[in-house]
Amino acid sequence: LAKTTQPISMDSYEGQEVNITCSHNNIATNDYITWYQQFPSQGPRFIIQGYKTKVTNEVASLFIPADRKSSTLSLPRVSLSDTAVYYCLVAGDSGNTPLVFGKGTRLSVIA
Amino acid sequence: EAGVTQFPSHSVIEKGQTVTLRCDPISGHDNLYWYRRVMGKEIKFLLHFVKESKQDESGMPNNRFLAERTGGTYSTLKVQPAELEDSGVYFCASSQGPGIRNTEAFFGQGTRLTVV
Repeated sequence: LAKTTQPISMDSYEGQEVNITCSHNNIATNDYITWYQQFPSQGPRFIIQGYKTKVTNEVASLFIPADRKSSTLSLPRVSLSDTAVYYCLVAGDSGNTPLVFGKGTRLSVIA
Repeated sequence: EAGVTQFPSHSVIEKGQTVTLRCDPISGHDNLYWYRRVMGKEIKFLLHFVKESKQDESGMPNNRFLAERTGGTYSTLKVQPAELEDSGVYFCASSQGPGIRNTEAFFGQGTRLTVV
């Protein structure tokens, strides 16, 4: 399984755009990049998933360069409620690979 | 649509007792996963059901842990006898499958287990 590396923590002011970059140098051809968000006392919540280039949904954007060895989660105009831990995961689509969580990035949004 | 539900939300038991955690996945989801986070550590995979069959139980800590999913619906995770190091938050997740959707798993709120 590809190992991921992300910042331990980040701080941001409200209204700013936040970019969290994740390294996954050993990503396999059939691996997808998935980001989860976890609030205190809750289970992780799926945010976005991509394979290459750019993916955007109502919550975030995911940028993946051509070599796929890293990815960047972009949260536009964060608010206090975006304070959470963000996990970058790499997993294949075989259907049999469990999700492997790293330490995640603890994002603190301050007023 | 109801999400993944777990019961209880919090359980405090004494060392040596038995505890059973329950997870109700999203209806129609064949895949059901159990994860655990112990204090200060990362979320760790425990096991994976596909319908009623155990697909992967490589993460189960030891034989004090028993997971079942009779009929391929809800699942239970029993810890017997519980030890202090079993304390943590137990998450259940479910997903459709197979294929890419397996990485879009829906997690429950978790059960916080405290063994004293």
